[in-house]
Amino acid sequence: DAGITQSPRYKITETGRQVTLMCHQTWSHSYMFWYRQDLGHGLRLIYYSAAADITDKGEVPDGYVVSRSKTENFPLTLESATRSQTSVYFCASSESRGSGYTFGSGTRLTVV
Amino acid sequence: SQKIEQNSEALNIQEGKTATLTCNYTNYSPAYLQWYRQDPGRGPVFLLLIRENEKEKRKERLKVTFDTTLKQSLFHITASQPADSATYLCALVDSSYKLIFGSGTRLLVRP
Repeated sequence: DAGITQSPRYKITETGRQVTLMCHQTWSHSYMFWYRQDLGHGLRLIYYSAAADITDKGEVPDGYVVSRSKTENFPLTLESATRSQTSVYFCASSESRGSGYTFGSGTRLTVV
Repeated sequence: SQKIEQNSEALNIQEGKTATLTCNYTNYSPAYLQWYRQDPGRGPVFLLLIRENEKEKRKERLKVTFDTTLKQSLFHITASQPADSATYLCALVDSSYKLIFGSGTRLLVRP
C-alpha cells in the first residue's frame, strides 16, 4: 500500500536502552522529518532530511540519531533512552519544500 | 523570542455555524503557512497551504487568510458539522525552511 508507515505503533523500553523507531514511505519523497508531540509543547522537530545521506538537526535533536541511506527509509534511534523521551513520535514526508507534509500514524514510546 | 500562538481553549460551536480559528506569530517572516487537522491517536493531516503573497485560499468549506502585517492567519470552516470536531494545527516555515507548529486549537461542533 502506498503511504508512510511507522513501526512499532507502541513501545515500552527501559531507561538506558537503545531503541530504533522505523519510518518508511512509498512515494520517493525527497524530504522526511521526525517530530515528537508532547502535551503543552505541540509538535517539535527532532531531525529532518532533504535527500538520502543528507540530514540536519531540528529544534530538539539531543539524544537522538538519524540516518538515511535509502530515500524511502528514515529511522530514528534513541541511543540511551531517558524518561524525558517518553512521547509520541511522528514521521512525515513531503515532495518539496513548498508542499504539505504527510504524517505517519505515530509511535507511542514509553521509557520506564 | 519566536512564538506561534493558537488559542489553547477549545472552541465550542453549534452545527451549521462558521468556526474561526486564529494563529498569531511573533518574530517570524514565513514564506508560507499551513493548516492541519489532527484527530485523537492519529497523525496530523494536511489541509491547506497559503503563501505570503496570497491573502486568501479556499477549499470546499475551508477558508484561510494570511495577513503578514498583523502576523496572523485565520482558518474558517463554514457550515460546520460534528465530523469537523478535531484539533487544528497552524504551522509556518521558518527562515531555514523548517516547519514549526503551533500547539493547536480543539474544535467541538455540537449537533
